[in-house]
Order: sequence, then structure tokens, then C-alpha cells
Amino acid sequence: GNSVTQMEGPVTLSEEAFLTINCTYTATGYPSLFWYVQYPGEGLQLLLKATKADDKGSNKGFEATYRKETTSFHLEKGSVQVSDSAVYFCALILSGGYNKLIFGAGTRLAVHP
Amino acid sequence: EAGVAQSPRYKIIEKRQSVAFWCNPISGHATLYWYQQILGQGPKLLIQFQNNGVVDDSQLPKDRFSAERLKGVDSTLKIQPAKLEDSAVYLCASSVTGTLNTEAFFGQGTRLTVV
Repeated sequence: GNSVTQMEGPVTLSEEAFLTINCTYTATGYPSLFWYVQYPGEGLQLLLKATKADDKGSNKGFEATYRKETTSFHLEKGSVQVSDSAVYFCALILSGGYNKLIFGAGTRLAVHP
Repeated sequence: EAGVAQSPRYKIIEKRQSVAFWCNPISGHATLYWYQQILGQGPKLLIQFQNNGVVDDSQLPKDRFSAERLKGVDSTLKIQPAKLEDSAVYLCASSVTGTLNTEAFFGQGTRLTVV
């Protein structure tokens, strides 16, 4: 079936450390890929997206590259801040027909000063 | 631009009681989603509307859950009767159309606790 698998958290880092959160997917066809972020007490919001192979999505210093050959969309940031502490969700939308946004389980990131 | 509005923010009910959640999507958004997010898990799609028609309700427990979107605008999700395992955050989201690249905008959710 169609699914998204993320690395388990929590991920705990010191400020200015390098971040990688792994995400792999299984899908029929060619999905669009997304990273959503959920800050404490807030709703889900889109962080970045990529719609085809080799596309790189970027926002707020975060990047992720759509790798078709490895079916991956890993999230990276070169230098994290305390304000990046949140839960990060990888998601996909299946091609064809109506959108069906499928989420991974989420990865909690805690950044300490 | 106003975001997706949901109410109430929090609800505590006893098992076997009924509960209803309300969602008002962003104006002009034809697609509306209801997701269930159990603690520690990712959101799971319950039902998806395109205007006022259902396009996906394959994961909706229809024996106890129901949803409607009258006039293709706001929507109500109901649970009757509630079970302990229904404790979760219920998220509403909307998007412009059903195309592949469309971003879904989420409300803050309703946290339901069934005791």
C-alpha cells in the first residue's frame, strides 16, 4: 500500500547542530512530497514541498530533495535553533484523481541551548 | 486571509456519549479533509469532501462516525457513541482543489478526551 516511514524520535540536538530527519515512502505512481511542521500548541503548517524527482524544496533554512531512486525525502538543516523545536511530519499526495494526503508518524525535535 | 477555523478546541466526554466538531474552511477552498491524530501517531484521513460530495471515506468508522458538508462550505464531524479509543485530536484541513500540488491548510484541531 501507500505509506510514509519516518525515523523515530525524539531527536535531541544542541543549538547550531546539523539536523537530518529521514523519510522514505511507498507509493503507486509519482507522488508529490511534503514536510509539515507542528509547533507546540499550533496547527500543522507546510514547511516545504517537492513535486517531482530531483526537485529540492526549501524554506526557513530547511531543505529536502525528492530522490526517486531511493524513494526518500530526507529533511536537513545546517544549523538548528531552539525555535525549531517541534514535531515534523513527512507526507505525500498520490498522483491522479483527488488528493489524498498521507502522513508519516512524525518525528519530535528538541533543540537545547 | 482567515485560516481554517475549528471548534471547540477541547472536549471531554464520557464513553457512549455523542460529540460534534465543527470546521469552517478557508473561503473558496473546494476540498475539505477531516483527520484523526492519535497521540504519538501521524494524522489519519477520515473523510475527504470535494465541495459537498464525499470523495474518500474509506477509513471512517461508519458505525459511529458521520460527517456532512452542507452547501459545500463548513462541515460537521460527529461521533455517536464515543469509545475510549476515539480520544485524539481531530484536524480539519482545506485546499483549493484536488490537484496534485495543492497545499492543505490545517486548523488548530479539537482535542477529544473520552473517559
